[in-house]
Amino acid sequence: AQSVTQLDSQVPVFEEAPVELRCNYSSSVSVYLFWYVQYPNQGLQLLLKYLSGSTLVKGINGFEAEFNKSQTSFHLRKPSVHISDTAEYFCAVQYGNTGFQKLVFGTGTRLLVSP
Amino acid sequence: ETGVTQTPRHLVMGMTNKKSLKCEQHLGHNAMYWYKQSAKKPLELMFVYNFKEQTENNSVPSRFSPECPNSSHLFLHLHTLQPEDSALYLCASSQDRVRGSEAFFGQGTRLTVV
Repeated sequence: AQSVTQLDSQVPVFEEAPVELRCNYSSSVSVYLFWYVQYPNQGLQLLLKYLSGSTLVKGINGFEAEFNKSQTSFHLRKPSVHISDTAEYFCAVQYGNTGFQKLVFGTGTRLLVSP
Repeated sequence: ETGVTQTPRHLVMGMTNKKSLKCEQHLGHNAMYWYKQSAKKPLELMFVYNFKEQTENNSVPSRFSPECPNSSHLFLHLHTLQPEDSALYLCASSQDRVRGSEAFFGQGTRLTVV
């Protein structure tokens, strides 16, 4: 079955420190990868997505992610976090050319940034 | 502001009440979705509408009844809910069947069933 794994349910980090949020997915020939962010009491907002081309993808708010096909991973990184980055982050995978409705979400990682 | 508006933002209802959640998008998208978000669980896709036609119903109990009168509006009618139905209900829209299409989410309705 297609699945997306976010091993860390919560990641505490100090302000201005780097952070990596991990995402692994079950292997498939064709995947499109997404990271969404959810701030408290808000809906989900797209951070970045990988469709093809360069494996390093840059998104909003200084985030970037790297697609690693051999390791079936799409980890999210930021070199220096801010308090305002405190939120829940969801990795999602679209398998094949099926459109958004077949997006599979991970369980989310809560990023807690403290001063 | 994502272009997807949900009302109300918060709703408290008794188990015998009937209420409706509303979602509206003016992004020109052809697909709309209802998701349920509960604590400690992955997002659960409930219903999918494509060009006003329901294309997916993920074994959702009949106490949840969706309605899509046109491509811009989506409703979720609620009746005789259970306390375990308390959750954040998210609406989303996208241009379906487009490679790598992303979805735009509303801010959600926080539902509490008492």
